[in-house]
Amino acid sequence: DIQMTQSPSSLSASVGDRVTITCRASQSISRYLNWYQQKPGKAPDLLIYTASTLQSGVPSRFSGSGSGTDFTLTINSLQPEDFATYYCQQSYSIPGTFGLGTKVEI
Amino acid sequence: QVQLVESGGGVVQPGRSLRLSCVASGITFSNYGMHWVRQAPDKGLEWVALFSSDGHTIYYVDSVKGRFTISRDNSRNTLDLQMDSLRAEDTAMYYCARGRGGFTNYYFDLWGQGTPVTVSS
Repeated sequence: DIQMTQSPSSLSASVGDRVTITCRASQSISRYLNWYQQKPGKAPDLLIYTASTLQSGVPSRFSGSGSGTDFTLTINSLQPEDFATYYCQQSYSIPGTFGLGTKVEI
Repeated sequence: QVQLVESGGGVVQPGRSLRLSCVASGITFSNYGMHWVRQAPDKGLEWVALFSSDGHTIYYVDSVKGRFTISRDNSRNTLDLQMDSLRAEDTAMYYCARGRGGFTNYYFDLWGQGTPVTVSS
């Protein structure tokens, strides 16, 4: 199975900050990388698929980049509602393994 | 209203069985591959199983192979997960999710609210 390594595991930031989360795959996954946001007690929400395509309705302050093994999720001008845990997931193969998550805290 | 609603979770002893269901509404259920994803308490997400839209392909994560069975009934817009020989490590919130794409370059754009499963004596 493909292993996904996210970093950092947690970070502290302030409203208005720019935040960057990285995700590394154990082998090349082309651009088949998705990002999800999860708030406490809620199901995950899709943010970005295929590395950089913004899901409908997701604010443009979210962006994704990368290919091969290294990927980045960037949140520009962090908003109060962005404090959550973020997961990457590879969709190059099944099982679609997730990273362990990055908790973005105030 | 477009939604997925899971049910069937509960507390069960190790070695026993449980059947989860997910009912879809507001979508053409038969058009989509459907997945189960679980999350152990205070842990990350783990993909569990897939039933393809064409009805011909089923996948499981290795840790549940031979114990869990995924099924779907397109006439009732329902996805099920039969879980047998349950173990403590199966304790988790179980989500059903709609899959977009194929067996590569897929993503989950619609999730249910989850149903909790606790395996404990």
